[in-house]
Parts: sequence; structure tokens; C-alpha cells
Amino acid sequence: DAKTTQPPSMDCAEGRAANLPCNHSTISGNEYVYWYRQIHSQGPQYIIHGLKNNETNEMASLIITEDRKSSTLILPHATLRDTAVYYCIVRGMPNTGNQFYFGTGTSLTVIP
Amino acid sequence: DAGVIQSPRHEVTEMGQEVTLRCKPISGHDYLFWYRQTMMRGLELLIYFNNNVPIDDSGMPEDRFSAKMPNASFSTLKIQPSEPRDSAVYFCASSRGVYEKLFFGSGTQLSVL
Repeated sequence: DAKTTQPPSMDCAEGRAANLPCNHSTISGNEYVYWYRQIHSQGPQYIIHGLKNNETNEMASLIITEDRKSSTLILPHATLRDTAVYYCIVRGMPNTGNQFYFGTGTSLTVIP
Repeated sequence: DAGVIQSPRHEVTEMGQEVTLRCKPISGHDYLFWYRQTMMRGLELLIYFNNNVPIDDSGMPEDRFSAKMPNASFSTLKIQPSEPRDSAVYFCASSRGVYEKLFFGSGTQLSVL
């Protein structure tokens, strides 16, 4: 299984960039990296995903290393509303055991 | 689209009772997932379906848990008999395909006394 490792918690000053790291050293070639976040007790919300190239959308940027063994989610200008638990997961083909195992994620606190 | 709909939002029951959680996925999504979230273990995958067929139920904790998907628009997760350690938030999610993003419901907060 291509599981992920994330720091349990991080702080970030409001207005600064938040850089959330994730290790996925056992990722295989056909597995995507996904990021989700969960605010309070709501269901997780999709942020961004990628295979090998860096990706950017209106919410965040995803930087994947060339060897694909790690990635970084970047929130360019963190706000208080970005305080949440962030999950990095990998997703591969069905029946491979790699179907969205979330784990415990990184609890990000944005500080005023 | 109304998104993934789960019911009930909250369920309080006594140990030994049967509990049924319900989920309506987004129309057109062919994958459905059931997750359980606790403080200790985080968000755990219990089971997932593809085109109404259970594909992987290795996360189901024990025989007291069962899940069904009788059609493309409805799934249930049943616990019988329930125990206090089953207390958790249960989420249902659906996606359009293998590599597509998941859409989560609002969850069911289950308390077994």
C-alpha cells in the first residue's frame, strides 16, 4: 500500500503561505496524490490532485518532487478560515488496496 | 445537485440495538465509500462499492457491520448489535470514476450508550 506520512500539526501566520508536507515514498507510477481538508466536523473537501506535474487551482498549489516520493500543498495566503485538518492521500487502481486511506492528517492552525 | 445525502445526522442508541445509516450518492457516480472517523484512528475506510458491487470490505471491523447497495442511488451501513466502541462519525462519499475526486456527505454522528 502506498500510504502517506504527514506531520500531526502545524501553525501558520495569517497572510503567510502555508506549506504542508507529505511523504509517500512507496507510491507507484499510476497513483495520484490527492489533498483534502476537513473543517470542524464537516465531511472532507477536495482541494487538489496531481500525478507528476505541479498543479495549481483557485484554492492551492501542489508541488510533487521529481521522484514522486513526496509532495507539498501550498496555501499562498492563509486565512483564519483555512484552519482545518489536511489530508494527503494516494489513489491507485481498484483492488490494489490503495483506495483513499486518509489516516489522521495535519492539523493546520492559522494564527491572527 | 444536492450532493451526497446522509441520514440521520445524529443517532443515539443503546448498546445491543440495531443501527442503520443511509446514504444517497451523487447521481452518475459509480463509486461509493463508507468511512468511520474517531479521534484515535482518524478517518478509516470501511468498504467501497463500484457499480453497486462491494469491492473491498477489508476495513469492516467485524461481522456486526454490514453494508449494502441495492441500487445506484442508495446504500446502507448496518451495525447489529451496536456497542459503545462503535461511537464515531460515519461518512459516505461518492466519485465518478477511479481517479476522480471524492464528494463527502455531512456524516452521521453515532453515539452508542
